Amino acid sequence: NAGVTQTPKFQVLKTGQSMTLQCAQDMNHEYMSWYRQDPGMGLRLIHYSVGAGITDQGEVPNGYNVSRSTTEDFPLRLLSAAPSQTSVYFCASSYSKGGLGTQYFGPGTRLTVL
Amino acid sequence: KNQVEQSPQSLIILEGKNCTLQCNYTVSPFSNLRWYKQDTGRGPVSLTIMTFSENTKSNGRYTATLDADTKQSSLHITASQLSDSASYICVVSFNQAGTALIFGKGTTLSVSS
Repeated sequence: NAGVTQTPKFQVLKTGQSMTLQCAQDMNHEYMSWYRQDPGMGLRLIHYSVGAGITDQGEVPNGYNVSRSTTEDFPLRLLSAAPSQTSVYFCASSYSKGGLGTQYFGPGTRLTVL
Repeated sequence: KNQVEQSPQSLIILEGKNCTLQCNYTVSPFSNLRWYKQDTGRGPVSLTIMTFSENTKSNGRYTATLDADTKQSSLHITASQLSDSASYICVVSFNQAGTALIFGKGTTLSVSS
């Protein structure tokens, strides 16, 4: 199993550009989520999905969109990048709705918005 | 306000020594508490998950304790190794679905030889 994979590893954008961060898992997990990690702060939930076709907002959803057309993939779209979105983004998945299921994180995407 | 506070912020110990990291939370209602290890430049890796009824859970040289009455948890690392150098993050879930997670800022542990 590859586990949770994320692409790209690094990305530099200009303000106003859009892009999609990719996330895929091969563990048949129903629950997937996106977090951002900023210096001096804990991880914060952006969006999550409890299954294909179902998504919901987390703590900091503004400026981001998600979709879940398959169990395996959960892309995160930045609509119009802003410097405040400079961060490290982590995708995670678990086999239950996170209740007591072990959460597996991807390696992260380091995004810089100029 | 739901919060997770960790202490110390950073810690340096010698290889082979033990250490204990602290986590205090003001999260309600409480579902479960997790400890993660995050190596520099990597994603967090789950160490333990404890529910309200569990006091202790071990994973190799890592032992987590939970006192739900005082809302405190600790992570004890025994016989530290250089590979234990990482950030240790305490996470509290306040809904059964696990969609509501509050992450602490982490304790950065450095193990030196």
